[in-house]
Amino acid sequence: DAGVIQSPRHEVTEMGQEVTLRCKPISGHNSLFWYRQTMMRGLELLIYFNNNVPIDDSGMPEDRFSAKMPNASFSTLKIQPSEPRDSAVYFCASSPGTGGGEKLFFGSGTQLSVL
Amino acid sequence: AQSVTQLGSHVSVSEGALVLLRCNYSSSVPPYLFWYVQYPNQGLQLLLKYTTGATLVKGINGFEAEFKKSETSFHLTKPSAHMSDAAEYFCAVSSQGGKLIFGQGTELSVKP
Repeated sequence: DAGVIQSPRHEVTEMGQEVTLRCKPISGHNSLFWYRQTMMRGLELLIYFNNNVPIDDSGMPEDRFSAKMPNASFSTLKIQPSEPRDSAVYFCASSPGTGGGEKLFFGSGTQLSVL
Repeated sequence: AQSVTQLGSHVSVSEGALVLLRCNYSSSVPPYLFWYVQYPNQGLQLLLKYTTGATLVKGINGFEAEFKKSETSFHLTKPSAHMSDAAEYFCAVSSQGGKLIFGQGTELSVKP
């Protein structure tokens, strides 16, 4: 299995532009998580899905952020418009079940720089 | 609400010395507890987890952790540090709902 696949690996954009991050979870996994990692705030859970349905989006910073999971094999995190403070590493992770005791499998992350 | 506190953002040990990384949690329901490791420019990997049963949990690379409910702790230990253990370590907590919350992380340095 190829693991969780995120694209792009690096993204550099200018303030005000739309940014779309993509994630392909491991086949057969039922939960998908988006995290943001910065030096100041550490790892923050932005949103997670169970069986393609958003369960908790309380971590999404503001309306500029949106996430979708149109099917079991694909998810996007969109930032529109982007701001310099959005610069961070964004991780996608998936897990086999929907309970709390499951191991998460992480992608390699997308390094986002907003100039 | 659940939360995790990792004591010490940076820990430095000598090669061969004991590794002790501290984690305390807060949870109103029985928690599931995890330790993950992150190497530079990589995603996180699971070291070990506690869900139910035996409170001493053994993980990969010689690490282990003990769930102590009375102390709300889940400290990570390894008897003898190796240079390859240098990385950032994250403690995390979740419950039945599946929401996994991470601590701030502890960077482990290993001196030769």
